[in-house]
Amino acid sequence: DTEVTQTPKHLVMGMTNKKSLKCEQHMGHRAMYWYKQKAKKPPELMFVYSYEKLSINESVPSRFSPECPNSSLLNLHLHALQPEDSALYLCASSKGTSRYNEQFFGPGTRLTVL
Amino acid sequence: GQQLNQSPQSMFIQEGEDVSMNCTSSSIFNTWLWYKQDPGEGPVLLIALYKAGELTSNGRLTAQFGITRKDSFLNISASIPSDVGIYFCGQNSGGSNYKLTFGKGTLLTVNP
Repeated sequence: DTEVTQTPKHLVMGMTNKKSLKCEQHMGHRAMYWYKQKAKKPPELMFVYSYEKLSINESVPSRFSPECPNSSLLNLHLHALQPEDSALYLCASSKGTSRYNEQFFGPGTRLTVL
Repeated sequence: GQQLNQSPQSMFIQEGEDVSMNCTSSSIFNTWLWYKQDPGEGPVLLIALYKAGELTSNGRLTAQFGITRKDSFLNISASIPSDVGIYFCGQNSGGSNYKLTFGKGTLLTVNP
């Protein structure tokens, strides 16, 4: 199984809503990532978890709150988002954070903030 | 931060043609990665390069790590319609300051 799954596939939320994005992998990977991708732009790294601990936060606003409940799951909790936060949110995982470790990406969650 | 200059921004070609795209940087790197992203999907790694001068093939795809360590190219031979997508070069620094950075992408359209 070399798959990273993400749910939901699409999400529409208002600026006062609270929602969560979910990511799951069963490859035994110990590093997991969240990326944000705006239309016609490359993915941009948001967070890195290594062995279930947050190791990198790329100065992401606190309205985005990541959580890694176990080695297979990664959540992104969303609260009080702005319309400019509308984007494709990609999850990825890798065996570790060595430059030799391939990152496997999920299909993403398309988020629209109204 | 790392700046990867990827060109061309887009390409329109006929099926069967060969394609070439490249990435350059002002910094020296130890890794060059090439990804493809299909609509509605996440990026998929095509080729990873770890040594200056390295030339690696994956089917009809060939990529090279420039000897200056500041550039890389990706060639696609005999293009087919399913080659359509966005191709990104990428850098993976690895280690405790891990960061995967992408170039701006090359949008490839193949006319059958």
